[in-house]
Amino acid sequence: TQLLEQSPQFLSIQEGENLTVYCNSSSVFSSLQWYRQEPGEGPVLLVTVVTGGEVKKLKRLTFQFGDARKDSSLHITAAQPGDTGLYLCAGPGSQGNLIFGKGTKLSVKP
Amino acid sequence: NAGVTQTPKFQVLKTGQSMTLQCAQDMNHNSMYWYRQDPGMGLRLIYYSASEGTTDKGEVPNGYNVSRLNKREFSLRLESAAPSQTSVYFCASRRTGTTTEAFFGQGTRLTVV
Repeated sequence: TQLLEQSPQFLSIQEGENLTVYCNSSSVFSSLQWYRQEPGEGPVLLVTVVTGGEVKKLKRLTFQFGDARKDSSLHITAAQPGDTGLYLCAGPGSQGNLIFGKGTKLSVKP
Repeated sequence: NAGVTQTPKFQVLKTGQSMTLQCAQDMNHNSMYWYRQDPGMGLRLIYYSASEGTTDKGEVPNGYNVSRLNKREFSLRLESAAPSQTSVYFCASRRTGTTTEAFFGQGTRLTVV
């Protein structure tokens, strides 16, 4: 069974701080995705990483895919209240499904 | 641009009642999914349909049935609702492929009393 484990589960920080959240698996994934979900809404895709060792940047967000394609990280620089939300990693299952981790709930206080 | 549309947005059921959650997408996507989201549990896959005419069980299919009515529509049915099915339900769709973006509806908040 392919599982994606995310840590930490909760993170509460002050505006301007940096943070990193993690997505780990014992299985190899051909790609991983990161989604952000705001209260009352469905998740929205932030990025897809497909190559081991790949680093992608989206403004203050930096995403990395592990060399062995079993893990990924999301680093936010100088967090802002608008970054508050649930961050989910997801990967393709072996049968055409899409597997999600349990998420990291981030709260950024002004 | 409608994207993925779910109905209803809110529903309260009594134990034992049945209901169908509707989902439609207008992006010509082959794959469609039903997830439930509970606090601390992330998104758990109930059923999915990789293409029109096919459906497969996900992680938590017990107590649910699905119908892929056509390429646009994928419905989820609760035949006899139980309090354990109180959750937020999300429908999603995406093009075929392992790196394609999944688009989600706004969710249905279901309470079973």
